[in-house]
Amino acid sequence: DTEVTQTPKHLVMGMTNKKSLKCEQHMGHRAMYWYKQKAKKPPELMFVYSYEKLSINESVPSRFSPECPNSSLLNLHLHALQPEDSALYLCASSPRNTAEQYFGPGTRLTVT
Amino acid sequence: QKEVEQNSGPLSVPEGAIASLNCTYSDRGSQSFFWYRQYSGKSPELIMFIYSNGDKEDGRFTAQLNKASQYVSLLIRDSQPSDSATYLCAGFPLSAGGTSYGKLTFGQGTILTVHP
Repeated sequence: DTEVTQTPKHLVMGMTNKKSLKCEQHMGHRAMYWYKQKAKKPPELMFVYSYEKLSINESVPSRFSPECPNSSLLNLHLHALQPEDSALYLCASSPRNTAEQYFGPGTRLTVT
Repeated sequence: QKEVEQNSGPLSVPEGAIASLNCTYSDRGSQSFFWYRQYSGKSPELIMFIYSNGDKEDGRFTAQLNKASQYVSLLIRDSQPSDSATYLCAGFPLSAGGTSYGKLTFGQGTILTVHP
């Protein structure tokens, strides 16, 4: 089973809202990732967690705040987003941070 | 020069033909390569990964890695209309410290259309 789940599937939020994206995997993977993908572009790495510790932050604005409560869960907290943050947000996991990554279905985010 | 480059496409092949997707990379130290398929509006799906020089086959898919030429390819035999998608090549370039820490680098993708 190589399933990564993400909730919600779609999210519309205003620029003053606070919301969270959730990601879960039960494959025993020890690395988890957040990516942002705009239309007709490849995924763009935002954060990497390895063994529940943040190992990479790709200079993402502070309005995006990741959290890894345990080895199976990954959250992305959103606050004061801009319309240009509208995108598909993808979570991925891998057995270790140099192995193949499996993506979840994504959350389609629209900021109004 | 981009770290991972794909032939720009789009690529159109008739049903039943072999589709050939190509990717070159600039970091000679890169060790691992991955092919993802992405349907419009969906997330990337891992279809092949290859770590060693040579060919790796899985069903209708064959991945080829040539480290001397810094070249990765994906062949899809007996192409079907359901194979129509964007194909993303990705690799792990080495960081200055010698490890990639999970920073998968994607090519821009090749759009494949298989027409009946």
